[in-house]
Amino acid sequence: AQSVAQPEDQVNVAEGNPLTVKCTYSVSGNPYLFWYVQYPNRGLQFLLKYITGDNLVKGSYGFEAEFNKSQTSFHLKKPSALVSDSALYFCAVRDNDYKLSFGAGTTVTVRA
Amino acid sequence: DAGITQSPRHKVTETGTPVTLRCHQTENHRYMYWYRQDPGHGLRLIHYSYGVKDTDKGEVSDGYSVSRSKTEDFLLTLESATSSQTSVYFCATLGGLQETQYFGPGTRLLVL
Repeated sequence: AQSVAQPEDQVNVAEGNPLTVKCTYSVSGNPYLFWYVQYPNRGLQFLLKYITGDNLVKGSYGFEAEFNKSQTSFHLKKPSALVSDSALYFCAVRDNDYKLSFGAGTTVTVRA
Repeated sequence: DAGITQSPRHKVTETGTPVTLRCHQTENHRYMYWYRQDPGHGLRLIHYSYGVKDTDKGEVSDGYSVSRSKTEDFLLTLESATSSQTSVYFCATLGGLQETQYFGPGTRLLVL
């Protein structure tokens, strides 16, 4: 069975500073990895995914993620955080039956 | 939100009563999913469907049943609601070339 771990419940950064949200995964085959963001009282919005190819994946709103097979990690990054990036972020891994397993989520707070 | 609506958006019910949540999609996506979101647990899969009348259990299916009689509708039923089923419920579909899951706006359910 596949699983993901998000080791940080909360990440706090100042606006303009780099933002990193960590994710590690466990799968038996090739990983299909996703990042989603959730704003208050909203559904989840897709940010980016890794299926195959380049280890650096670019997504929506200036976010990117780096896939590292040896460390089984898929960390989400943004070079310069905005106050509007404050939200709940979820990492997820998909199995061959198209089911997603989610991490517990990381709350990001960007202070002005 | 990829044409996904959920109804009702909010519901308060009493322990022991049956409750049905509806998910409706306009994208003709084959796969549909029901998740629940609880603090500290991320999203957990309840049931999913891979076609009309084709459904399967997720990791937290006890106390829930689903039906899919049409491609566009996926119903989640709490057969006899309990307080532990107080949660936010999200529907999702899988489709498009990116094989990405898209989420509805959610239903907040309070079981008293």
